[in-house]
Amino acid sequence: AQSVTQLGSHVSVSEGALVLLRCNYSSSVPPYLFWYVQYPNQGLQLLLKYTTGATLVKGINGFEAEFKKSETSFHLTKPSAHMSDAAEYFCAVTPVYGNNRLAFGKGNQVVVIP
Amino acid sequence: DTEVTQTPKHLVMGMTNKKSLKCEQHMGHRAMYWYKQKAKKPPELMFVYSYEKLSINESVPSRFSPECPNSSLLNLHLHALQPEDSALYLCASSQETALNTEAFFGQGTRLTVV
Repeated sequence: AQSVTQLGSHVSVSEGALVLLRCNYSSSVPPYLFWYVQYPNQGLQLLLKYTTGATLVKGINGFEAEFKKSETSFHLTKPSAHMSDAAEYFCAVTPVYGNNRLAFGKGNQVVVIP
Repeated sequence: DTEVTQTPKHLVMGMTNKKSLKCEQHMGHRAMYWYKQKAKKPPELMFVYSYEKLSINESVPSRFSPECPNSSLLNLHLHALQPEDSALYLCASSQETALNTEAFFGQGTRLTVV
């Protein structure tokens, strides 16, 4: 079974500072990995994904993440936080084959301080 | 068109009511999903349809009844719900291929059971 760990439910960051959200996964084989963002009263929007190929992936809104197999991690970063980045962020995994069953982490609520 | 459209956006229903949530996508995706999301929690998978057939039921109570009338539509029929069923219900879709792909989410239906 797969699982995802996101530490620190609330993350406060100053405007213009680095955003770093950590995600570690547990899986018998490397899965596909995703970061989704959810704004208040909205659905989930895909920020970026890792399937195969380059381990540093770039997404929308200036976010990027690096897949590190040795550390079973897929941390999300953005060099400079903007007020519009305030949202809930979920890391998720799914097996490469078989049922496309997303397993989500508990999420990080990002607060941007002016 | 990369949208998953859910209606209604908000729904208030009594415990004796029967109502339906609707979801539509025109991306040619053959996998469709229902998720339930409580406040400050990650989405929880309820049902998965693959090629209009129910492939996963995550032990959901029978007061929730999914239906997939065709490849573009997904319904969730609700009957005799409880107040604890109040939540955001998210529909998602993805391509159905040998390798799993990302899921596209709708904006959700905010359900309140009174």
